[in-house]
Amino acid sequence: DAGITQSPRHKVTETGTPVTLRCHQTENHRYMYWYRQDPGHGLRLIHYSYGVKDTDKGEVSDGYSVSRSKTEDFLLTLESATSSQTSVYFCAISDSGGPYNEQFFGPGTRLTVL
Amino acid sequence: GDSVTQMEGPVTLSEEAFLTINCTYTATGYPSLFWYVQYPGEGLQLLLKATKADDKGSNKGFEATYRKETTSFHLEKGSVQVSDSAVYFCALSDRQGQNFVFGPGTRLSVLP
Repeated sequence: DAGITQSPRHKVTETGTPVTLRCHQTENHRYMYWYRQDPGHGLRLIHYSYGVKDTDKGEVSDGYSVSRSKTEDFLLTLESATSSQTSVYFCAISDSGGPYNEQFFGPGTRLTVL
Repeated sequence: GDSVTQMEGPVTLSEEAFLTINCTYTATGYPSLFWYVQYPGEGLQLLLKATKADDKGSNKGFEATYRKETTSFHLEKGSVQVSDSAVYFCALSDRQGQNFVFGPGTRLSVLP
């Protein structure tokens, strides 16, 4: 299994509070991604990174920010959590951004915003 | 934009039955196609992939063929097992790998 961990695995928070989710990899892969998974929507890309300090927005980036100061860590921040951000969040990594873009997924973080 | 459509299910089968999960896509250019599987409480795992037309991906008895003429990548297995119960996601990636799109997932339940 690819070495990807996510922390925390579960979190309950209140509306308006800031939340940071962490993704850590030991594979030295260049690309890292944050997705959210909601019933009926599959996985939707929030943000991705193609290198240290290089990030870009995905399909559903509003209300989220990311940072990548080291190859191994990719942080997702909800500046002011809302109930619509209750979801399961998955981090993924990839060694190549090209057509053989196999992504490896972490175990997920279940976030509940009350 | 690019999109993936798949039957949402749930699909319920008896053990040893034949499985087909349909997947069609819309994309510009020639995307790579993937099937991922998600077991309860876990992240997604790559099941198989195909990177060009007429390629057949296969793994663990599952297979899917990249059909450019019908823009499809249907997942099949000849004889399912209870352990195949999971959610299956069809996905595509553009050639640059910067646009990765998932379908909504199909939940499969296999009964003994």
